[in-house]
Amino acid sequence: SAVISQKPSRDICQRGTSLTIQCQVDSQVTMMFWYRQQPGQSLTLIATANQGSEATYESGFVIDKFPISRPNLTFSTLTVSNMSPEDSSIYLCSVGQAGGTEAFFGQGTRLTVV
Amino acid sequence: KQEVTQIPAALSVPEGENLVLNCSFTDSAIYNLQWFRQDPGKGLTSLLLIQSSQREQTSGRLNASLDKSSGRSTLYIAASQPGDSATYLCAAPGARGGGADGLTFGKGTHLIIQP
Repeated sequence: SAVISQKPSRDICQRGTSLTIQCQVDSQVTMMFWYRQQPGQSLTLIATANQGSEATYESGFVIDKFPISRPNLTFSTLTVSNMSPEDSSIYLCSVGQAGGTEAFFGQGTRLTVV
Repeated sequence: KQEVTQIPAALSVPEGENLVLNCSFTDSAIYNLQWFRQDPGKGLTSLLLIQSSQREQTSGRLNASLDKSSGRSTLYIAASQPGDSATYLCAAPGARGGGADGLTFGKGTHLIIQP
């Protein structure tokens, strides 16, 4: 199994500002994934982050709004840019999944935009 | 594009009952299916991973089955306890279809076990 640490665990931000969420894994992984969980909803994949290449975004998510960095095999960041109240959600980092392996999730970052 | 549906959306039962949670998916070209548990305001805890070559997987009081041909999976919880109260999520690979990386989640079953 993998242990995933996310920071911050929660934050309250002003609209128009940006927040960077960090995800640290205790082992080297090829792919990392970022998900959003809006209030009362299930998880939606935002993007897949491979080390050394551009992130792949799902329909409805764009790099300008959710820039992602993947500087090495154990770390990734997701930035939520120019925030609005609609961005209030839980953001989760995940590893695994590819090739039939088990997926593991961080504890999430609860973001409230006011 | 993969779509995952979970039934029922909510369930409230007395302690001790055996339960069945249902999950269906549209794209059967999956290599596995995973069940998670989510407690309020928390992240996801992996419960069971069933590979496409398996028909079921067991962990303690939990048993998950997978029928790729019909696009269905079930999670069976035996002798339910109040500590089992949580939201249970089913997830299949293929957010972009065809078994591509990333998971598609159902909306979950919100389970309450009454003491």
